[in-house]
Amino acid sequence: EVQLLESGGGLIQPGGSLRLSCAASGFTFSSYAMSWVRQAPGKGLEWLSTISSSGNNTYYADSVKGRFTISRDNSKNTLYLQMNSLRVEDTAVYYCAKGTRKGGYLDYWGQGTLVTVSS
Amino acid sequence: EIVLTQSPATLSLSPGERATLSCRASQSVSSFLAWYQQKPGQAPRLLIYDASNRATDIPARFSGGGSGTDFTLTISSLEPEDFAVYYCQQRRNWPPYTFGQGTKLEIK
Repeated sequence: EVQLLESGGGLIQPGGSLRLSCAASGFTFSSYAMSWVRQAPGKGLEWLSTISSSGNNTYYADSVKGRFTISRDNSKNTLYLQMNSLRVEDTAVYYCAKGTRKGGYLDYWGQGTLVTVSS
Repeated sequence: EIVLTQSPATLSLSPGERATLSCRASQSVSSFLAWYQQKPGQAPRLLIYDASNRATDIPARFSGGGSGTDFTLTISSLEPEDFAVYYCQQRRNWPPYTFGQGTKLEIK
């Protein structure tokens, strides 16, 4: 059974940093691209970032480019999102998600972790 | 960036009725479109990929259609558990992957 478990969310002041983790199990983690998607309270889904299976290629939404960094440790089956220079508008539930074999779609999602940016 | 526009914003129907949800792309995405279902307090679930292919364990009452810029998600006979928010997503031109703003399917 595929499982994705996010952690690392919490309350942080504007300008602060946070690192989210996503522990994966139930599939060959090193074979799949992984992504982060967020959802602000009461709003829709926003794709943030994708990393290739090897970790060699990364992609970002303009809204987080230069502030967030996606990475992975295939030896630990873990995905990360380093978030710097956080803003109030980054407040959201952050989901990690597994890419499909062909890529581009997200077939398994974690339960999400809430990040609240507030003074 | 490809913009996906979903309609209607809210759809009010009764169990047993047929639901038709729409997603329109600002430019052609060929058939590279997916649909997701999200229930309150839960993560999204992949329903349909490549416009018309059901994902694993998705019931046959869910079907997807369309290509180019116009797509539909049809639920043939609504079950109580189908009332949720539905999102479309494209992978034709990325980054970024983009989602529609969602359609809320509510019980009438």
